[in-house]
Formats: sequence, structure tokens, C-alpha cells
Amino acid sequence: DQQVKQNSPSLSVQEGRISILNCDYTNSMFDYFLWYKKYPAEGPTFLISISSIKDKNEDGRFTVFLNKSAKHLSLHIVPSQPGDSAVYFCAASALNRDDKIIFGKGTRLHILP
Amino acid sequence: GAGVSQSPRYKVAKRGQDVALRCDPISGHVSLFWYQQALGQGPEFLTYFQNEAQLDKSGLPSDRFFAERPEGSVSTLKIQRTQQEDSAVYLCASSWTGTSSNQPQHFGDGTRLSIL
Repeated sequence: DQQVKQNSPSLSVQEGRISILNCDYTNSMFDYFLWYKKYPAEGPTFLISISSIKDKNEDGRFTVFLNKSAKHLSLHIVPSQPGDSAVYFCAASALNRDDKIIFGKGTRLHILP
Repeated sequence: GAGVSQSPRYKVAKRGQDVALRCDPISGHVSLFWYQQALGQGPEFLTYFQNEAQLDKSGLPSDRFFAERPEGSVSTLKIQRTQQEDSAVYLCASSWTGTSSNQPQHFGDGTRLSIL
């Protein structure tokens, strides 16, 4: 039973356009959400996070939106650049219970020239 | 180096052998986590240390898996009598503190374990 779901295994976006990666979760105890980026043969790199008390967090080209009622979050990258091609993992944790992070299966983003 | 360091990067072992994977966390990080990542999947939690104390080992798949962090710094994940299903990338992560704080975990590059 997957608690964090990334239903799109892959996504292709034209360079310069907006990339939108989606994530759904089932556990209402989750209160902290993260996005990690992973290049081949490297470990995941922290990208951006959001606490459940917010609905939006922005850092440069990256914005994460959280819709708690729908148990849905999304990562927007604008404008998309070639170096953004990677696998993106959505992750969630329940900070008041433990610090275990539950990851989705990832979405492979291809930025097309 | 300022990041999480894992060794070896690659390990090939025959079924039935014991293996030991090492993790050097970022200096000063209190919390240390081990994850297992199978091909095409996201990382899955194995175990968690706060300093030298192993606070959660609920993700360890069997009693063949054992982790330690005796001095609250370097950690070792040991797998005894390896099986083919143990083949995966083993990731280590560390963070400043694991107690209800919004501190992201920083990952090493992992050890790719292949059991023949």
C-alpha cells in the first residue's frame, strides 16, 4: 500500500516551458513534504520542502504547492532547463511521530531542446 | 568532503556471503538513516539512529540485516547470508536533528550491492 504516489513515471517538457510534477498521498498524518532530485549514479539531492501549515513555497525557479484537502502536491519548475533532466522523488513525513521519510517511486523528467 | 560519504560504491558478493556497508555522515549531524532502493522504486526506509541510539529499525527486512553507529558518527549496515533479493542500492542520509524539525535529510551516493 503506497502512501506516496507519483502516477507519472516520466514526463517530457520543452526547454523554457513549465514542468509540473504531481504527487498524491494517503496518510493524513503527514505534515512535512519534500522534493528530491536524483541524477544517475548519485544520491537524491534535496530540492525544496513545504510544511503542512503552508500551501505554497517558492525557491527560485522551483515552487511547491500543497493542497491538503485533496492530499495532493505539485512541483513547478519554470523555466525548465536542460540540467533539470533527472528523476524527481516526492517524499513525506509525519514530524510529530517520527522522522521516517516515505518516498514515491519517482518521475523521470526529460527536458527537450 | 562536506557531504555524506558511503563506501564501497559498488559491491558484488556471492549468495550466502556477509557484507558490510559504511556511511560517514556530515560532521555534526545527529540523525542518520539507511534506505534501500530497488530498481525503479523510491528509497525505502530501513533504520534510523539519533547519535548512537538506534531509535527505529522497523524497516529492516529480516534479522539478517543489522546496523550500528557505536560512537554516534560512522555507521555500518551489515547483511548476513546475503540473498539475491538483497541486490539494491543502499543509501545513507544524515540530518542535523531528527526530532520534529524541518531539517531535510542529505543523502550519500549509495552503495550498489549485487548478489550473484
